[in-house]
Amino acid sequence: DGGITQSPKYLFRKEGQNVTLSCEQNLNHDAMYWYRQDPGQGLRLIYYSQIVNDFQKGDIAEGYSVSREKKESFPLTVTSAQKNPTAFYLCASSIDLGEKLFFGSGTQLSVL
Amino acid sequence: GENVEQHPSTLSVQEGDSAVIKCTYSDSASNYFPWYKQELGKRPQLIIDIRSNVGEKKDQRIAVTLNKTAKHFSLHITETQPEDSAVYFCAAIEAGGTSYGKLTFGQGTILTVHP
Repeated sequence: DGGITQSPKYLFRKEGQNVTLSCEQNLNHDAMYWYRQDPGQGLRLIYYSQIVNDFQKGDIAEGYSVSREKKESFPLTVTSAQKNPTAFYLCASSIDLGEKLFFGSGTQLSVL
Repeated sequence: GENVEQHPSTLSVQEGDSAVIKCTYSDSASNYFPWYKQELGKRPQLIIDIRSNVGEKKDQRIAVTLNKTAKHFSLHITETQPEDSAVYFCAAIEAGGTSYGKLTFGQGTILTVHP
């Protein structure tokens, strides 16, 4: 998948459950991002990380959490506090913050 | 924070015609404006970008223009082909403050090119 891998491709969440979406890159990029895509709303930023052990909230961080313990990995946890989690989640990475993002193939999260 | 508005939400053209998509942004300090193309079922991919010190940039059939005074930028596709059919997103980067480097996207434009 061109250096950035998201898994799983499809994920189902039960009521009250936390789920974690995986994002791994081997591009040696410092910056990583999580975007949520809903029909007609474009891409909305959840969290972003400029460097290992540092991350910033985006526009819609409530109900989500992230960690950046390794340069290659930026997992996203969708917590039970996120009441409308059904969406397509895109992870991305880049060399320079905010520029020339390279996206993963996405994870479709649905609620059972 | 930055607010990016994109128009139109849908655009339908005949093959060979030109297509123009427009975006406005709110943060006058923004200095980087990329455009991404997302084909059906695929990931978004960068197709062209422009910095604030340049007014226009071209890459074959694609061009982007920037008007800093009016805070708007546009994507121009000439001689459209059916494979140009996709969703196009504009974006702007925040250049200062606590949100430095945050990339905000427009709502997207669904472009359909009819053969």
